[in-house]
Amino acid sequence: ELKVEQNPLFLSMQEGKNYTIYCNYSTTSDRLYWYRQDPGKSLESLFVLLSNGAVKQEGRLMASLDTKARLSTLHITAAVHDLSATYFCAVLPSGSARQLTFGSGTQLTVLP
Amino acid sequence: DVKVTQSSRYLVKRTGEKVFLECVQDMDHENMFWYRQDPGLGLRLIYFSYDVKMKEKGDIPEGYSVSREKKERFSLILESASTNQTSMYLCASSQTPLSSYEQYFGPGTRLTVT
Repeated sequence: ELKVEQNPLFLSMQEGKNYTIYCNYSTTSDRLYWYRQDPGKSLESLFVLLSNGAVKQEGRLMASLDTKARLSTLHITAAVHDLSATYFCAVLPSGSARQLTFGSGTQLTVLP
Repeated sequence: DVKVTQSSRYLVKRTGEKVFLECVQDMDHENMFWYRQDPGLGLRLIYFSYDVKMKEKGDIPEGYSVSREKKERFSLILESASTNQTSMYLCASSQTPLSSYEQYFGPGTRLTVT
């Protein structure tokens, strides 16, 4: 059974600081996804990582994928309040019939 | 832009009622999914479909059924709603084969069963 573990589950950080969210998974995969969810809203796609070593950046967020370590990271640079949300990683196992397995989510709160 | 819509944002039903949640996507996607989201449990896959009239069980199919009569529409059915089915229900769609399998989500339906 595929397990996808995110840590931390809760993250409270001050504006201007840097931090990293980790996503570990237990089976082979070369496709990993990051989503953002605001309270009461649906999931919004942030990044799609399709190969080992993939790195994508959008604003203050940067995601990377190491398929050998079965690890993805979401790095936050100089956090701002607008980044407060829950972030999910999701994994598509190699050979999967199209279904993703999601992590539990990281609830990020950026304090002024 | 991909658009996934769900029939209701909020729904209140009584125990034992039959409940239909509908999802429509406008991008001719082959794959459609139903998840439920509960605090502390993340997203759990209920059912998915990769073609019209095809369906596959996800991780928690008990108490649910689905219908996909047309490519753009995927319905989730609670045959006899129970209080433990109170949850946020999210529909998603994705395209294959020459794609990233990225899933696009609808706005969600918050279902309360009393």
